[in-house]
Amino acid sequence: NAGVMQNPRHLVRRRGQEARLRCSPVKGHSHVYWYRQLPEEGLKFMVYLQKENIIDESGMPKERFSAEFPKEGPSILRIQQVVRGDSAAYFCASSPVSQRNQPQHFGDGTRLSIL
Amino acid sequence: GQQLNQSPQSMFIQEGEDVSMNCTSSSIFNTWLWYKQDPGEGPVLLIALYKAGELTSNGRLTAQFGITRKDSFLNISASIPSDVGIYFCAGQPATSGTYKYIFGTGTRLKVLA
Repeated sequence: NAGVMQNPRHLVRRRGQEARLRCSPVKGHSHVYWYRQLPEEGLKFMVYLQKENIIDESGMPKERFSAEFPKEGPSILRIQQVVRGDSAAYFCASSPVSQRNQPQHFGDGTRLSIL
Repeated sequence: GQQLNQSPQSMFIQEGEDVSMNCTSSSIFNTWLWYKQDPGEGPVLLIALYKAGELTSNGRLTAQFGITRKDSFLNISASIPSDVGIYFCAGQPATSGTYKYIFGTGTRLKVLA
């Protein structure tokens, strides 16, 4: 799916555990976006990162959620002390440059299930 | 927050029929994208629109960026069974200080052979 790799594809956690979702953008893309999708709904923006910087985290809950995109390695979306309401599909997208109007290419998502 | 109203929510059509769907917003957008999502997969970009009034085709798909910059349309001609899926519009608000996209709620298309 346009080269964005997400893993794991499926993740099951018990309430209170931590979930770590990984995203490797298309080679050469330095901009990463995370979205959440609930069943039968559209994608909701969570956070936009460039290498080593968070640019916009306005869609990410202030507590328990964090994201990073280190200089080396994939972007990580981390959810601490998961609750049932965190069950969703989490999608990562990437784009090549910091210009407006760059379309985003999506990975196949991580489906998080909370028991 | 800003919202996109996408309609219809779902459609059942016969194979060979044409399909139309649209997205509207109360605010102005700089860019419109149309995606298709199959079950268990991520959205795949179909068409990107960058200028008001722009009309762009991709095979049997045609999309238009509305003149008012507040809407966009997607048409699929002569539908086939593999067109089944969820179609999402996504817009980049003109007032956005960053480059996030707002997604519509999707149009679920089912094609009857």
